[in-house]
Amino acid sequence: EVQLVQSGAEVKKPGESLKISCKGSGYNFATYWIGWVRQMPGKGLEWMGIIYPGDSDTRYSPSFEGQVTISVDRSTTTVYLQWSSLKASDSAMYYCARSGIASAEDGVDVWGQGTKVTVSS
Amino acid sequence: QSVLTQPPSVSAAPGQKVTISCSGGSSNIGNNYVSWYQQLPGTAPKLLIYGNNRRPSGIPDRFSGSKSGTSATLGITGLQTGDEADYYCGTWDNNLSTAWVFGGGTKLTVL
Repeated sequence: EVQLVQSGAEVKKPGESLKISCKGSGYNFATYWIGWVRQMPGKGLEWMGIIYPGDSDTRYSPSFEGQVTISVDRSTTTVYLQWSSLKASDSAMYYCARSGIASAEDGVDVWGQGTKVTVSS
Repeated sequence: QSVLTQPPSVSAAPGQKVTISCSGGSSNIGNNYVSWYQQLPGTAPKLLIYGNNRRPSGIPDRFSGSKSGTSATLGITGLQTGDEADYYCGTWDNNLSTAWVFGGGTKLTVL
């Protein structure tokens, strides 16, 4: 079964660092994009950035450039999203999701279950 | 402000049909495939339609998709209370290095 399994919910204080994970299984991990999607409470889906595990090519949406870091560990088929200094406005649900590389034809076909991040003093 | 424009909400009675529109431009919908996602309350989004009008295995044929020019439409027939959810369109945007863009989402209420 193709799946993306994310790490559990986190509660952090402003200024703390955080790294959440997304582990892929059941498919050739190196040959699909993995993206991170933010969903703030009551709001829509925002594509944050994307990484290609095959060569670690990483791209960020302008709104998230410099705010987060996306990385990959091919040996454990895991993609990470990290913050060096959290803000209260980072409180949201974060999803990882899989996309083909050639076109939008196949859609974002596999989604993780989501990781809820709460940042509060 | 999303690159793709969807109505914030639609509603219809059980058994009826509803359509949800998604409007974009030549850099996105006009030159790329469109997909649709269903997000039931408290759950992750799920792929509902891909390649403009194809359904993944397990998605009933009550759900359909179409595309014309720079707009796309999701149709749902035989509405059920279990269809109450947020629906998002998505596609690539050729002006973005990260490729994917989503619409702002449409809340479907089954009265």
